[in-house]
Amino acid sequence: GDSVTQMEGPVTLSEEAFLTINCTYTATGYPSLFWYVQYPGEGLQLLLKATKADDKGSNKGFEATYRKETTSFHLEKGSVQVSDSAVYFCALSEGGFGNEKLTFGTGTRLTIIP
Amino acid sequence: GAVVSQHPSRVICKSGTSVKIECRSLDFQATTMFWYRQFPKQSLMLMATSNEGSKATYEQGVEKDKFLINHASLTLSTLTVTSAHPEDSSFYICSARPLATGWNEQFFGPGTRLTVL
Repeated sequence: GDSVTQMEGPVTLSEEAFLTINCTYTATGYPSLFWYVQYPGEGLQLLLKATKADDKGSNKGFEATYRKETTSFHLEKGSVQVSDSAVYFCALSEGGFGNEKLTFGTGTRLTIIP
Repeated sequence: GAVVSQHPSRVICKSGTSVKIECRSLDFQATTMFWYRQFPKQSLMLMATSNEGSKATYEQGVEKDKFLINHASLTLSTLTVTSAHPEDSSFYICSARPLATGWNEQFFGPGTRLTVL
């Protein structure tokens, strides 16, 4: 079955540091890939997505590139801020319209210190 | 943006009792709502998919008689944990897919932490 493996946390970085959170996946077909972020006390929010190989998703300075050859979708940001402190989830979906089952990784807690 | 609320945010109950968790889409209508369960340091696991006005579709291994789901309107779905036991203690999260957007645009609630004593 489908699965998502992501970097275990917690991850602690200083402000303005470079961030990478690794994510690899296993899927039978050609999934869409997502990064969700959960800020304290809030629900998961879609951060970015990519629907086919070599697509790059980007939002709020974060980027991730769909790499089919390495089955990866690593999240990167060049200069993190304190406000980026949150839990980040990598996820995939093989469903089309009407079949939106999401398979999640375990989440990575990121803490940015000033 | 689209907001999904859950109530209560935390609940503690005695073993053998039933607990109802509500999931509401506050500013949009949702034909489909999803219920997830999350154990500490583990990923979210989809429990069931509910469509307004029809029976929920449960994932393999999820007891539908134990986890009752009702999606009675386009803005409300409820999850009732019946005859709760300590192993049902977990973090329950719902999400909702708006009527108007394309596929896979789900908006998540903040979750409900259930503790069964």
